[in-house]
Amino acid sequence: GAGVSQSPSNKVTEKGKDVELRCDPISGHTALYWYRQSLGQGLEFLIYFQGNSAPDKSGLPSDRFSAERTGGSVSTLTIQRTQQEDSAVYLCASSWGARRQPQHFGDGTRLSIL
Amino acid sequence: AQKITQTQPGMFVQEKEAVTLDCTYDTSDQSYGLFWYKQPSSGEMIFLIYQGSYDEQNATEGRYSLNFQKARKSANLVISASQLGDSAMYFCAMRDEGGSQGNLIFGKGTKLSVKP
Repeated sequence: GAGVSQSPSNKVTEKGKDVELRCDPISGHTALYWYRQSLGQGLEFLIYFQGNSAPDKSGLPSDRFSAERTGGSVSTLTIQRTQQEDSAVYLCASSWGARRQPQHFGDGTRLSIL
Repeated sequence: AQKITQTQPGMFVQEKEAVTLDCTYDTSDQSYGLFWYKQPSSGEMIFLIYQGSYDEQNATEGRYSLNFQKARKSANLVISASQLGDSAMYFCAMRDEGGSQGNLIFGKGTKLSVKP
């Protein structure tokens, strides 16, 4: 498809385990964003990649969270030693990275920590 | 710091009527963009409409229009001729566009319910 693709769509894991969430952006989009959506906190920015520049990690809540983007395309968000408060929907978005360009979102990964 | 405020947690509208969803923002940036997204119960975030801070005319996209009042720092979404399929969460968001085009700051959202 032509849209942003995220996998898995649902992930259930035990507290303390590591998880990897994947995002495949729209082809050609130079900017990629990760957000988290939870009932208590709304939509929160996590990390932003733009081309070959160093990522903006200012939204990552702790050092248990990390992300990489390989070859300027696919991105993986990793959460180590998961905690129950990590339960949320993790949304990925991509855009052309220029002014006036909207971000296009994937369907998200619903993460549940038992 | 940027902030988006949506004061209506929930709204009801009769099918075929117009509805306005409120959004106010706070920023010290001179160049910024305002966005509205729709999130149905299925979860996907759908881009609806964009307004740039220097745009002189209010943005319109089909049944959606943005009532931009810069001095009041408001960017209300107007949906005309509401349809049952418009029932969803609606999020107002903004982004600094003066430098690198970074992340969106979102409001808490408004849940719109369209009544038949």
